[in-house]
Amino acid sequence: EAGVTQSPTHLIKTRGQQATLRCSPISGHTSVYWYQQALGLGLQFLLWYDEGEERNRGNFPPRFSGRQFPNYSSELNVNALELEDSALYLCASSLPSFIPGSYNEQFFGPGTRLTVL
Amino acid sequence: TQLLEQSPQFLSIQEGENLTVYCNSSSVFSSLQWYRQEPGEGPVLLVTVVTGGEVKKLKRLTFQFGDARKDSSLHITAAQPGDTGLYLCAAPIKAAGNKLTFGGGTRVLVKP
Repeated sequence: EAGVTQSPTHLIKTRGQQATLRCSPISGHTSVYWYQQALGLGLQFLLWYDEGEERNRGNFPPRFSGRQFPNYSSELNVNALELEDSALYLCASSLPSFIPGSYNEQFFGPGTRLTVL
Repeated sequence: TQLLEQSPQFLSIQEGENLTVYCNSSSVFSSLQWYRQEPGEGPVLLVTVVTGGEVKKLKRLTFQFGDARKDSSLHITAAQPGDTGLYLCAAPIKAAGNKLTFGGGTRVLVKP
């Protein structure tokens, strides 16, 4: 079974540009989560999508946005890039929470390394 | 302050030594998960503990969920360089629709 996939692996942008990151969840998973991880630090929660709807949002400015498509894949968009947006962006997916025993266990992709120059 | 506090933040030990990582909270959780992340990769789920007092073993790793389901520990016996990584605990927050919240992580370095 294929795991969570993310593209691109690396992305280099300059300040003020826009970045689009993509994520495909594990088959059967309806929830997608996005996290930002700055170098050497822990995970900062960005967004949670489930069944096409935004369920929760972390403490990030509105220039971080996303969406989930009918096939449950997801896109993260970052507008007006700033230097401090340079980080590893991780996507994770999980089974629907109503499934007994799912415990919201998340399965992560390899991440997209975004560098803003 | 984080909902899940991990300690220590960093641990450096020699191969063959034992280590314990802690994850504490003032909240009660229905379940708690441990992940390991290696540099440049995404975190990988190691275990989920559900019952207060539960102990789970994964080879040389022993995970324990506190009786009151507010804390957990991860113990590694005879650590090896392959155990090096960032260890993260995480738990669903019922008030936030069971959104998973992560601790700050413990960075473990096992030197050969």
